[in-house]
Amino acid sequence: AQSVSQHNHHVILSEAASLELGCNYSYGGTVNLFWYVQYPGQHLQLLLKYFSGDPLVKGIKGFEAEFIKSKFSFNLRKPSVQWSDTAEYFCAVPGRTARQLTFGSGTQLTVLP
Amino acid sequence: GAVVSQHPSRVICKSGTSVKIECRSLDFQATTMFWYRQFPKQSLMLMATSNEGSKATYEQGVEKDKFLINHASLTLSTLTVTSAHPEDSSFYICSARDLNRGSYEQYFGPGTRLTVT
Repeated sequence: AQSVSQHNHHVILSEAASLELGCNYSYGGTVNLFWYVQYPGQHLQLLLKYFSGDPLVKGIKGFEAEFIKSKFSFNLRKPSVQWSDTAEYFCAVPGRTARQLTFGSGTQLTVLP
Repeated sequence: GAVVSQHPSRVICKSGTSVKIECRSLDFQATTMFWYRQFPKQSLMLMATSNEGSKATYEQGVEKDKFLINHASLTLSTLTVTSAHPEDSSFYICSARDLNRGSYEQYFGPGTRLTVT
């Protein structure tokens, strides 16, 4: 079955620090990977997605993620975080059917000013 | 574009009553909408897939008679929590697939906080 795991439950960084959030997947079909962000009090938004091609994917707000097939990983990175990046981040893969998404447990990122 | 709204944003109801939550795609058509439940500090758990013009598909462990889903049009799906109990208190989130976009592209509503007293 498709599954995704996020290792970090809560990450605390100071502004300007670099960020890397881990995501590992277990998926037998064509790999499609997503990162979503949920800012406090707001709805989930798509940060970036990987379907095929260049394994380094650039998303919105300076985020990027690298698909490493040999490691079954799709880690989210940002070179320099800002206070406004404080949010919950979810990695996701296709679910039981092609139309669904299965989410990881989420990582709460707190950026200290 | 691609905005999904939910109404109400918060609702408090008494145990035993029913509550209806609406999910609307505002600027696109959605043959498929999804209903999720999110517990504090946890991930989104898919409850059911709502299909326009047909019955919803429920995930294992989700009671279809308790969580009634109706997808009446290409822009509206409703979730009714029947005979609500305090353990139904949660954050309910819907998402919608754009008919004209890729299979996995989902747009999320802002969520509905349900509190059952």
